Amino acid sequence: DIQMTQSPSSVSASVGDRVTITCRASQGISSWLAWYQQKPGKAPKLLIYAASSLQSGVPSRFSGSGSGTDFTLTISSLQPEDFATYYCQQANSFPSFGPGTKVDIK
Amino acid sequence: QITLKESGPTLVKPTQTLTLTCTFSGFSLSTSGVGVGWIRQPPGKALEWLALIYWDDDKRYSPSLKSRLTITKDTSKNQVVLTMTNMDPVDTATYYCAHRRAGIAGYYFDYWGQGTLVTVSS
Repeated sequence: DIQMTQSPSSVSASVGDRVTITCRASQGISSWLAWYQQKPGKAPKLLIYAASSLQSGVPSRFSGSGSGTDFTLTISSLQPEDFATYYCQQANSFPSFGPGTKVDIK
Repeated sequence: QITLKESGPTLVKPTQTLTLTCTFSGFSLSTSGVGVGWIRQPPGKALEWLALIYWDDDKRYSPSLKSRLTITKDTSKNQVVLTMTNMDPVDTATYYCAHRRAGIAGYYFDYWGQGTLVTVSS
């Protein structure tokens, strides 16, 4: 099984801040990676697929990068609606999710 | 517009079998490339992928839960059914069904149901 880790586990930030979340796979997964946003009581929302492709309708302040084992999600200018928990997910043969990173208000 | 909705019991007893139904609209599970998956999330914890079924009836299961899971589809009813045997309190979670993003290889879930909370308790 491929294990996914994320750092940090939580981050406090202010509106307008640049926020970066890191995801690491236990073995190389090429670009088979997605990022999701989840708000309390809601289903996850796909933000990024194939490591760097922006899902339709997602604001351009979200971007993804990386390949192999190390990946990054960047929010260029945090907006009030971005306070949420973010999960990475490896999208290869048996999908697995990271433990999540909570972005809250500083 | 793609929508999915989960239905099933909210409470099951330990050792019982859970049966969940995902009813969807806006796409057909007979269209090449289409897939529907199940993902769960224990309260306050991370997401865990369970299973996925493709348009051609190919099925994939989480290796750690494979012996307990069965996924089937009814194309005429636009439904996918997940059964999980021998339920335990640790299986208490919100269970989601989700549409696998078409047009690209890989397990990317672009539409999700609202989720259904299943509690396992005697």
